[in-house]
Amino acid sequence: GAVVSQHPSWVICKSGTSVKIECRSLDFQATTMFWYRQFPKQSLMLMATSNEGSKATYEQGVEKDKFLINHASLTLSTLTVTSAHPEDSSFYICSARPPGYEQYFGPGTRLTVT
Amino acid sequence: KQEVTQIPAALSVPEGENLVLNCSFTDSAIYNLQWFRQDPGKGLTSLLLIQSSQREQTSGRLNASLDKSSGRSTLYIAASQPGDSATYLCAVRRPPDKLIFGTGTRLQVFP
Repeated sequence: GAVVSQHPSWVICKSGTSVKIECRSLDFQATTMFWYRQFPKQSLMLMATSNEGSKATYEQGVEKDKFLINHASLTLSTLTVTSAHPEDSSFYICSARPPGYEQYFGPGTRLTVT
Repeated sequence: KQEVTQIPAALSVPEGENLVLNCSFTDSAIYNLQWFRQDPGKGLTSLLLIQSSQREQTSGRLNASLDKSSGRSTLYIAASQPGDSATYLCAVRRPPDKLIFGTGTRLQVFP
């Protein structure tokens, strides 16, 4: 149990376009979901925390207008990278947390902006 | 500000060796500490979770200890195997609900 999926697993887009990444909790309801970014050979850095039905809380230094997060249901959160640039190329990982439990992580999405 | 550091950054050992990976954190106000494994280009697999009130947790060949007062945790891997090759991350859960990850240890176990 406690499976989190992400779609797509990898995406290539052109500079200036927007790309949406989905994070789903498949067998549980997650009141809270988290989005992380991981650059090559670096650790995970929390970007934002989203609670179902409310606005996401962004970490310092993360542009909320560039990284749009929507947590419309208890099983789905989306991250949209708007006007993507090559420096946004990274590995994006989401996690979902059912009430009273720890975070369960998705498999990640590799974004390459050309 | 909570900082989490892992030593060594990389480790290469022959199969069969017992290993110790180290994790240190600067703020002892944590809920728990978790060790993860990450294979290249993949997500995270949770290995062990130690609550702040606990001293250690064991799962198979893995044993993790926690000394909250000194801000340290160790992950002990017994009889290492090539399949153990991966990056190992520790993370502390800080109030109210935030995971702070360490810098990671890249482990290679060769036959």
